Amino acid sequence: GAGVSQSPSNKVTEKGKDVELRCDPISGHTALYWYRQSLGQGLEFLIYFQGNSAPDKSGLPSDRFSAERTGGSVSTLTIQRTQQEDSAVYLCASSLWASGSGDTQYFGPGTRLTVL
Amino acid sequence: AQSVTQLDSQVPVFEEAPVELRCNYSSSVSVYLFWYVQYPNQGLQLLLKYLSGSTLVKGINGFEAEFNKSQTSFHLRKPSVHISDTAEYFCAVSVKAAGNKLTFGGGTRVLVKP
Repeated sequence: GAGVSQSPSNKVTEKGKDVELRCDPISGHTALYWYRQSLGQGLEFLIYFQGNSAPDKSGLPSDRFSAERTGGSVSTLTIQRTQQEDSAVYLCASSLWASGSGDTQYFGPGTRLTVL
Repeated sequence: AQSVTQLDSQVPVFEEAPVELRCNYSSSVSVYLFWYVQYPNQGLQLLLKYLSGSTLVKGINGFEAEFNKSQTSFHLRKPSVHISDTAEYFCAVSVKAAGNKLTFGGGTRVLVKP
């Protein structure tokens, strides 16, 4: 079946602009996660959604970052007023559950964001 | 809070030789343990995970890992590597019964030489 897909694969933007990154999880997966992979910080958790529960936003680095998940499926990560330090690969993952049971997360190919 | 340390940032190894990638974690609560692999220009793929039971876990592509609670380690091994094993390997933990978010180590780049 289809895996996790992300779009765009690459995004170049100018400092100060807003960007939206999209993630389509595996059909039927109730949990969706966003991570960021950068040279300086490695792989960091940003936010996750589990069903209809309030999202865990504990990893968002600033209030310029937000995410939503519509209809329990597609998710959009928005970065407002982008800064050069936001340059990174943004990875999305999904899992069947997020109940703290060690469920496997399946990752998408990522969106490479470059802020000039 | 949890933390994961991968002791080697790069590991060069010859084809058909064994390899061991070291991972140590720190946590005040019980965790699950994972190894993910990232091939060049691709997303992360699960190699194996430890949830409970036997401390020796076998994964895909001939990899295995052993959970050692007393040493808080979860080292990854393969007895004979192939060129295709060239990739970056990440060790990660998640907290039991507390959501599923992963805390990753810094990664180990494995370069398999012919």
